[in-house]
Amino acid sequence: GAVVSQHPSWVICKSGTSVKIECRSLDFQATTMFWYRQFPKQSLMLMATSNEGSKATYEQGVEKDKFLINHASLTLSTLTVTSAHPEDSSFYICSVIPSAAILYNEQFFGPGTRLTVL
Amino acid sequence: AQTVTQSQPEMSVQEAETVTLSCTYDTSESDYYLFWYKQPPSRQMILVIRQEAYKQQNATENRFSVNFQKAAKSFSLKISDSQLGDAAMYFCAYKGGQNFVFGPGTRLSVLP
Repeated sequence: GAVVSQHPSWVICKSGTSVKIECRSLDFQATTMFWYRQFPKQSLMLMATSNEGSKATYEQGVEKDKFLINHASLTLSTLTVTSAHPEDSSFYICSVIPSAAILYNEQFFGPGTRLTVL
Repeated sequence: AQTVTQSQPEMSVQEAETVTLSCTYDTSESDYYLFWYKQPPSRQMILVIRQEAYKQQNATENRFSVNFQKAAKSFSLKISDSQLGDAAMYFCAYKGGQNFVFGPGTRLSVLP
């Protein structure tokens, strides 16, 4: 399957600062990437769909000005948490849907990024 | 909107035994995909098995198999010959169009 990397794997930041999380598709080009948030012992919650070359589509209740998504290339999407607050502390996971049609109905997940806001 | 329900928050199974995890979903679409994902303590999501709704035959991957009942909108996962490494959170997921919807998960413990 496709290899997806996330960087950093773990980040601690002060309240009010911004944090950027990168998601890279190492094996495939990806026109679509997803960003999820997962609280402890809970399921994945879709935050937004990142489309290469266009604006991200945010799920209801997700602040687009707080969670900035940029999908500048077919292998890289970034999520920037702006003016982070302690309640933004969570596990953020990206996933990739390869552009190749044969794999279109399968998403490959990154290893996740644990964000702790002090 | 589509929903995915997993009615068993926690399950346990004896090593080498068989366990079945339940999943039901709600959709008005006729063409969709269903998945089971495993999330071990490392939190890396791993695809266990997938099923295309248009296929009547149940998917099988080694010790993992599904019982797909389209009319009942049920998609259960059977793990045979359970191993200690099977201990994890298991998420049932639905995909229709471009959107994925995940169930709340079932935590599976494997007892030695």
